[in-house]
Amino acid sequence: DAGITQSPRYKITETGRQVTLMCHQTWSHSYMFWYRQDLGHGLRLIYYSAAADITDKGEVPDGYVVSRSKTENFPLTLESATRSQTSVYFCASSEPGTSYEQYFGPGTRLTVT
Amino acid sequence: RKEVEQDPGPFNVPEGATVAFNCTYSNSASQSFFWYRQDCRKEPKLLMSVYSSGNEDGRFTAQLNRASQYISLLIRDSKLSDSATYLCVVNNRGSQGNLIFGKGTKLSVKP
Repeated sequence: DAGITQSPRYKITETGRQVTLMCHQTWSHSYMFWYRQDLGHGLRLIYYSAAADITDKGEVPDGYVVSRSKTENFPLTLESATRSQTSVYFCASSEPGTSYEQYFGPGTRLTVT
Repeated sequence: RKEVEQDPGPFNVPEGATVAFNCTYSNSASQSFFWYRQDCRKEPKLLMSVYSSGNEDGRFTAQLNRASQYISLLIRDSKLSDSATYLCVVNNRGSQGNLIFGKGTKLSVKP
């Protein structure tokens, strides 16, 4: 199916473990983004990518690593998970041109115990 | 001043009511403006773009005032299904692909 998908949808992990959240889009959009959403903070940008092999930090990048070897995939890795990284993570993609609207995946709900 | 500010609500309105949401943004160089809708525990979804001349999509009307750096969304004849959080969104001057999201205004439409 076309669109943007995320996996897993739910994840519980322990403090200190490495976790990778996957994001896949079938639109061949150039830009991809990772956000986290917490009560009281709204959506905050973690990392983004303008194209394959090009990534850049957003507002809250500490503790996260991204890569983009293929246009369609943009995994987000928590190198050593902390409780403060408990959140809902959304991946999004866009094709900037005349406008910049982004399309979101269904989200991953991550709990770090 | 926060980059995108919205009244958090909640706005509790009866079915059939007209409700207006307002938003201000700080970056005068922003060029793209949107309203997104987010249902509880779901992803944000694009509701509509906002154009300089104002635009309408059925019961929804969006307005932009660049001089005042102000965006509005009007919902007429509210439906129960309109209950959601509405996010005001503008693009980031420093990086054209990036968007800045407001924290959202929660709307609850009651029967």
